[in-house]
Amino acid sequence: NAGVTQTPKFQVLKTGQSMTLQCAQDMNHNSMYWYRQDPGMGLRLIYYSASEGTTDKGEVPNGYNVSRLNKREFSLRLESAAPSQTSVYFCASSEGAGAETQYFGPGTRLLVL
Amino acid sequence: KQEVTQIPAALSVPEGENLVLNCSFTDSAIYNLQWFRQDPGKGLTSLLLIQSSQREQTSGRLNASLDKSSGRSTLYIAASQPGDSATYLCAVFGSSNYKLTFGKGTLLTVNP
Repeated sequence: NAGVTQTPKFQVLKTGQSMTLQCAQDMNHNSMYWYRQDPGMGLRLIYYSASEGTTDKGEVPNGYNVSRLNKREFSLRLESAAPSQTSVYFCASSEGAGAETQYFGPGTRLLVL
Repeated sequence: KQEVTQIPAALSVPEGENLVLNCSFTDSAIYNLQWFRQDPGKGLTSLLLIQSSQREQTSGRLNASLDKSSGRSTLYIAASQPGDSATYLCAVFGSSNYKLTFGKGTLLTVNP
């Protein structure tokens, strides 16, 4: 049982380049989330999808877009990367959009030069 | 806006010691409080979830308490082991914003 998987594990981008971070879960969860983790800032919610076909902004959505491709997959896109987007990105999923336990992926480490 | 604070930021203890990690939050309108563990370079693993109506939860050597009215939670680790070394994160699920808000974590080192 893989749980939540993320690709790539590590990526280096130049300012202005674009990329998509991929996330998939095999737990048949309805809700999925994207967080970023920065030193001294804790985890902050970027976007979330309460159910297939819906997406909503979190605390720090600027510079990002998301797609809930199907129930399993939730991608995060950086259209024009900036150094401020250097971070570790975590995808998570939960059974519902309520107060259930969230299950996290291993993270994607992104460096924007 | 909900704020979650964890004290201390780092803690180093000898193996076998009992220890307490602290978490405080500013808005008591929460559905639950969760404790996570994060190993270096890894994702988060859920340890305990306490509903707002509960006072504590236990799992093995871990015991988490919640005092919602005072905005405080503690994670008690009994008989610590080197394998417990990790960052421990506290998060509250708000009933007003319907989101998880995380603290910055406590880095625990258990020395053999």
